[in-house]
Amino acid sequence: DIQMTQSPSSLSASVGHRVTITCRPSQSISSYLNWYQQRPGKAPKLLIYAASNLLSGVPSRFSGSGSGTDFTLTISSLQPEDFATYYCQQSYNTPYTFGQGTKLEIK
Amino acid sequence: QVQLQESGPGLVKPSQTLSLTCTVSGGSISSGGYYWTWIRQLPGKGLEWIGYIYQTGSTYYNPSLKSRITISLDTSKNHFSLKLYSVTAADTAVYYCARGDNIGHNNWFDPWGQGALVTVSS
Repeated sequence: DIQMTQSPSSLSASVGHRVTITCRPSQSISSYLNWYQQRPGKAPKLLIYAASNLLSGVPSRFSGSGSGTDFTLTISSLQPEDFATYYCQQSYNTPYTFGQGTKLEIK
Repeated sequence: QVQLQESGPGLVKPSQTLSLTCTVSGGSISSGGYYWTWIRQLPGKGLEWIGYIYQTGSTYYNPSLKSRITISLDTSKNHFSLKLYSVTAADTAVYYCARGDNIGHNNWFDPWGQGALVTVSS
C-alpha cells in the first residue's frame, strides 16, 4: 500500500494568515492526489482533485500543487470556517489511502 | 444535487455481521459512471477506504478487508449496501458512503454521506 505522510500533524495559525500543508506519498503518484476538509463531527468534503483542480464552489483561497512525491495545500488567507482537519488521498494504486490528517487550529 | 444517507444498526455484537445501506437521492445510482464507495474512520484516527461498486455491479475491495466484506447495489431502490462479516471491536468506526468520480486514472470522493457510527460490543 502507498503510505501518505502529512506534515505538520497539527498547526496553529491566525485568521488572515497563509498556511501550507504538505503531503508526501511513499512512492511517486503522478498527480493522482486529492485534498479533503473535515470539520468536527462532519463528513469530509472534497476541496481539490488531481493535485491542483479546485472543486466548483470551493473558495479560491484554497490551492493545491505538486506531483510525484511532494504535494502542498495552501490556504492564502485563513477564515474562521477553515479551522478543521485536512486529509490528502492518493488514487494512483488501490487500495486508495489517506494521510493521517493535519489539524488546523486557531491561534 | 446528489445526496447520500447511511442507515443501519448502531450496535453490532462481536462475530456478527455489520450491515449498512446508503440511499442516494437527487440522481440515479445506475448512471453517470460513478463508483459507489464505502470509507470508514476509526475512532480518533484517519480514514480507511473499504471498497466500491461500479454501476455495472463490478466491485473492488481493500485487500485488508476483502475476505470479510460484500458491497452490493439495488438499482430499484437506488441504494447500495455494505456487509462486514465476523466483526470485532476493531471494526468500531464511523462508516461513510460516498460517490466516487474520476478523470482518467484519478479517483476522488464527492459527495459523502453524513456518516454512521457503528459500535461493536456485546
